[in-house]
Amino acid sequence: GQQVMQIPQYQHVQEGEDFTTYCNSSTTLSNIQWYKQRPGGHPVFLIQLVKSGEVKKQKRLTFQFGEAKKNSSLHITATQTTDVGTYFCAGSGNRDDKIIFGKGTRLHILP
Amino acid sequence: DTGVSQNPRHKITKRGQNVTFRCDPISEHNRLYWYRQTLGQGPEFLTYFQNEAQLEKSRLLSDRFSAERPKGSFSTLEIQRTEQGDSAMYLCASSPRDSFFGPGTRLTVL
Repeated sequence: GQQVMQIPQYQHVQEGEDFTTYCNSSTTLSNIQWYKQRPGGHPVFLIQLVKSGEVKKQKRLTFQFGEAKKNSSLHITATQTTDVGTYFCAGSGNRDDKIIFGKGTRLHILP
Repeated sequence: DTGVSQNPRHKITKRGQNVTFRCDPISEHNRLYWYRQTLGQGPEFLTYFQNEAQLEKSRLLSDRFSAERPKGSFSTLEIQRTEQGDSAMYLCASSPRDSFFGPGTRLTVL
């Protein structure tokens, strides 16, 4: 079945440093979504990418969808303490398919 | 409140008891998903509905688990004869395209 893998599992960075998490799917995706979950909270939708090679930016966050639509990345520039949390990618194989989540990358910011 | 709501927020039960959770999606969202999340893991897909039709069930969902969405609006997830391994956060999400998650129901089976 479809699998979505994320690396790294954990990342500690100094405040102000950049952070990147990578997502890989075992199958071609129709779209990929990114979520952020704060400790004790529920996943909150950040963005959806649909097109091959698509790049989207939200302030300090840059999201990319690979040309083959099997991988994606989230890059945060100049991390802040408010960026703490777990970042999940989630993908579906076609428009009507279920959404499968990766295990997430937990970001910890060192002051 | 126009978000996804889930009740109860917390449930403590004894092993062997039945429990039922409810999810009220964002109105007019035709898709509704149930996920289970344990500490340090991503949400695991359990099942999803398109309106009232249950389209897919994960093999994680044993015959002790059943979900319904009778009128295509709210949904219930029932777990029969609970086991300690059922302890987790049960998340509901509704979606026209991207998923809006509810706050979850935290189940503890003693």
